[in-house]
Amino acid sequence: GENVEQHPSTLSVQEGDSAVIKCTYSDSASNYFPWYKQELGKRPQLIIDIRSNVGEKKDQRIAVTLNKTAKHFSLHITETQPEDSAVYFCAVRPPGYSTLTFGKGTMLLVSP
Amino acid sequence: EAQVTQNPRYLITVTGKKLTVTCSQNMNHEYMSWYRQDPGLGLRQIYYSMNVEVTDKGDVPEGYKVSRKEKRNFPLILESPSPNQTSLYFCASSFSIDAYGYTFGSGTRLTVV
Repeated sequence: GENVEQHPSTLSVQEGDSAVIKCTYSDSASNYFPWYKQELGKRPQLIIDIRSNVGEKKDQRIAVTLNKTAKHFSLHITETQPEDSAVYFCAVRPPGYSTLTFGKGTMLLVSP
Repeated sequence: EAQVTQNPRYLITVTGKKLTVTCSQNMNHEYMSWYRQDPGLGLRQIYYSMNVEVTDKGDVPEGYKVSRKEKRNFPLILESPSPNQTSLYFCASSFSIDAYGYTFGSGTRLTVV
């Protein structure tokens, strides 16, 4: 099956700084890469996604970049705010599977 | 309101006592899945379903059963729960995995003593 590695496991930044979380995957035929945000005590919620035919996608302060050759994709959060503090999960849709494989998560802490 | 509903939200049970966690979605989604979340291990898939009567094992299916007799419901069954099944469980559904990912339920925190 697909192997998804996510780094770092924890990330602390000052408010206003940028944060970058990276995920690597093993199967080059994987074609869909969503990112989820999970606030403390809540369910994971989709915040941005990208498909394999696109290199970058932006939505206000968040962006996702995909490097298919290197088999990695990254979440970029600019001008971080305390409310960005949460656990972030990347996910991959492996080819031939109608489901998602998740990374282990990154706990982001934004200090005021 | 479009949603995925899990019940119960919290459950404490004893080893060996069969239990069922229900999951229902009102969005006519074909895809449904169960994940467990444990500290340091992220979200690991237990079972998933692509449609009625179509289910498949995920990464950690041992000790669990599922059924998909109706499109809206996807219950998770623990025939003989053990303490290592103490976890936070999420049900999720999707119209199209490739385009929308999963919508998650609120979670069920299960403790097996």
